[in-house]
Amino acid sequence: DVQMTQSPSSLSASVGDRVTITCRASQNIHTYLNWYQQKPGKAPKLLIYGASSLQSGVPSRFSGSRSGTEFTLTISSLQPEDFTTYYCQQSSSTPLTFGGGTKVEIK
Amino acid sequence: EVQLVESGGGLVQPGGSLRLSCAVSGFTFSNYWMSWVRQAPGKGLEWVANIAQGGSEKYYVDSAKGRFTISGDNARNSLYLQMNSLRLEDTAVYYCVRDSRSGGIDAFDIWGQGTMVTVSS
Repeated sequence: DVQMTQSPSSLSASVGDRVTITCRASQNIHTYLNWYQQKPGKAPKLLIYGASSLQSGVPSRFSGSRSGTEFTLTISSLQPEDFTTYYCQQSSSTPLTFGGGTKVEIK
Repeated sequence: EVQLVESGGGLVQPGGSLRLSCAVSGFTFSNYWMSWVRQAPGKGLEWVANIAQGGSEKYYVDSAKGRFTISGDNARNSLYLQMNSLRLEDTAVYYCVRDSRSGGIDAFDIWGQGTMVTVSS
């Protein structure tokens, strides 16, 4: 099974900050890596697919990148609505697996 | 409007059974893989099972194998999850999810609102 190690589990930041969340895969998953945003009490929402492609309707301040088995979600300038939880997920092989999540909190 | 609406959740005793349903609208159900993803209270996301278009392939997380069965009905545009021998650790919100694998996307792009399953004596 592919293990997804997401870090940090939480972070504190301010509006306007640049934020980076990392996910490391336990083996090569190529670009089969997706990022989701989940607000409290709501279903997750797809932000980034294929490691770096922005889902339709998602603001351009969100971006994704890959370096080997390490993947990064970057929010270039945090907005108030961005303070919530983010998950990575690999779609390379079953079982499909998620990272443990990163909660972005207001500093 | 593309929509997934789950139903069938509730309270069940350990060892009991429950059948979740997901009504699909706004897209051609038979053209897509579909998945169930769950989230225990206060915890992260866990993929449970998926099914290919037409039901020719089905995959499960290890903890669901032999207890859960995913199925689909193209005529009714519906997805199901039959859950037997339920355990306390199956308590979670269960999401019906479109598992898109076309147009360059290989991701969960549409999610239902979720249905809560509580396993408790």
